[in-house]
Amino acid sequence: EPEVTQTPSHQVTQMGQEVILRCVPISNHLYFYWYRQILGQKVEFLVSFYNNEISEKSEIFDDQFSVERPDGSNFTLKIRSTKLEDSAMYFCATGDRSTDTQYFGPGTRLTVL
Amino acid sequence: AQKVTQAQTEISVVEKEDVTLDCVYETRDTTYYLFWYKQPPSGELVFLIRRNSFDEQNEISGRYSWNFQKSTSSFNFTITASQVVDSAVYFCALSERGNTPLVFGKGTRLSVIA
Repeated sequence: EPEVTQTPSHQVTQMGQEVILRCVPISNHLYFYWYRQILGQKVEFLVSFYNNEISEKSEIFDDQFSVERPDGSNFTLKIRSTKLEDSAMYFCATGDRSTDTQYFGPGTRLTVL
Repeated sequence: AQKVTQAQTEISVVEKEDVTLDCVYETRDTTYYLFWYKQPPSGELVFLIRRNSFDEQNEISGRYSWNFQKSTSSFNFTITASQVVDSAVYFCALSERGNTPLVFGKGTRLSVIA
């Protein structure tokens, strides 16, 4: 069964450093999302991406964040200058038109020290 | 604005008991989708079910069943004869239409004790 994959599974970084989180979507999916979950809290939407552009973004997704699909397969989330409060689990999700359902990757746990 | 409320923060049951997880939603949209996801201790989010607002038929899948009632804006989830492997955090979520951002509830942590 096709799955969404994410790398790395865990990333530790120093405050102020840039991080790039990677996602490989299910192959025929056209809709891509990033969500985050601060430890013990609910899952929050960050950004959605369709047809090579951002379709929606939340208030959390400020200028420090960016997304791209650099090679037509990977879908990346970049945080330019990490802050302590960026520590969270980051989930990639992908979807297609036929099911209207988002399937989530296993997540990347980001720890900012 | 859309909102999902899962009033039960934590539930603990003994194995083989039935348990119902409550979900109440708010939306101004006439068409929308409702979802349940399971987050086991390993941390991933596992899709369980999707319901669209046109379909109020209840659904059963093995030990899982879902009760969707538009009149009370609720989409409750029942596990029959719970098992230890059901221990997880369960999230209810809402989207205004297909392939739009999900709004999640805060989740209900279910602990099933052997």
